[in-house]
Amino acid sequence: GAVVSQHPSRVICKSGTSVKIECRSLDFQATTMFWYRQFPKQSLMLMATSNEGSKATYEQGVEKDKFLINHASLTLSTLTVTSAHPEDSSFYICSAVGQGNEQYFGPGTRLTVT
Amino acid sequence: SQQGEEDPQALSIQEGENATMNCSYKTSINNLQWYRQNSGRGLVHLILIRSNEREKHSGRLRVTLDTSKKSSSLLITASRAADTASYFCATGPDNYGQNFVFGPGTRLSVLP
Repeated sequence: GAVVSQHPSRVICKSGTSVKIECRSLDFQATTMFWYRQFPKQSLMLMATSNEGSKATYEQGVEKDKFLINHASLTLSTLTVTSAHPEDSSFYICSAVGQGNEQYFGPGTRLTVT
Repeated sequence: SQQGEEDPQALSIQEGENATMNCSYKTSINNLQWYRQNSGRGLVHLILIRSNEREKHSGRLRVTLDTSKKSSSLLITASRAADTASYFCATGPDNYGQNFVFGPGTRLSVLP
């Protein structure tokens, strides 16, 4: 089956620094990837839609200048959390859309900002 | 990983009618979530119901949870053409949600 990876799986950073999270589709090309975040015991919340070769589309309430998304190739999208603060601590999950419009989820990245 | 399986796989109704979708799961849960997805778009969270809750409402949505039967239902009342989408359930883990596994979803078509 289709595989999506995320790197890193866990990251701890200091307040004010930036963190980059990578999402890769390993065995298929994905023109569209989605980024979600999840707080403990909560649902996935869609943050943005990442389209290869174009600007990301952000959901209402998500700051595009804080959560920078780059979809530079058909297999890679990156999410950079800029000037991270403790309230950004969360679980970030990406998904990549396959040819049949199905979503394949990555394993997630747990970000802790101290 | 947790898994929800939706039923039916496809549902077609007239505008104004109610739509009911079901979800079954296999193991004990802390919560169950319902999402909708329009074609080519990301999953949008609709409602979360915790294991100690039996029913929850949000606008035209009503979700029930029966932990003894390991099942949940999503009812959309007075459906509209804009409700046409796929609906998925997912079961919540203890803390963070690694390895989210969604079922195939229910494809709802609301005809004008």
